[in-house]
Amino acid sequence: GAGVSQSPSNKVTEKGKDVELRCDPISGHTALYWYRQSLGQGLEFLIYFQGNSAPDKSGLPSDRFSAERTGGSVSTLTIQRTQQEDSAVYLCASSSPDGLAGDRPPSSYNEQFFGPGTRLTVL
Amino acid sequence: EDQVTQSPEALRLQEGESSSLNCSYTVSGLRGLFWYRQDPGKGPEFLFTLYSAGEEKEKERLKATLTKKESFLHITAPKPEDSATYLCAVRGGYNKLIFGAGTRLAVHP
Repeated sequence: GAGVSQSPSNKVTEKGKDVELRCDPISGHTALYWYRQSLGQGLEFLIYFQGNSAPDKSGLPSDRFSAERTGGSVSTLTIQRTQQEDSAVYLCASSSPDGLAGDRPPSSYNEQFFGPGTRLTVL
Repeated sequence: EDQVTQSPEALRLQEGESSSLNCSYTVSGLRGLFWYRQDPGKGPEFLFTLYSAGEEKEKERLKATLTKKESFLHITAPKPEDSATYLCAVRGGYNKLIFGAGTRLAVHP
């Protein structure tokens, strides 16, 4: 597609239920990031994928959170046994061609393009 | 630890009243400072990347500048459609972005 898409756009769930959030990155983008934006807060990094591997999971807040990516494309973020503090907007971003700038000359080559987000409300 | 602080938290301007937003950062080796615009209910939209002190970039009524400790987003003669939250971020490990809390800008006619 033309941009990053996420589904669902809104999800309301009861405390203790599991939820799955989906991200479709821009075609050809090998790097994929998940962020969380709580009310009045800045974006908080959750996890980074390069292809199907996740070399950086340092932002996942607890073991109730997991994510996977298949075929180097679609990613799913799963939250088990949801809690009220999980309520937030979950944003996905992708970039090209990989996540490592290394000694590459500065450019907008690795800018991240964001999806519209999934607003999760845990009652 | 990499850190980004934005000020003010909120800014109200009259149409045509120029102003600046501030982004202070602490990072071990800057590998890019980013400005994004976020409208309500939408994901952040990329505006600028700056890499070295003294660098400036412009887009319409917006100009971003960078020093060794902070970045400014200057808004010249703003219009109501410039109302949004402006987010600043630095590139961390694995290119993840470390964001500030943002500045909510409201421009009134």
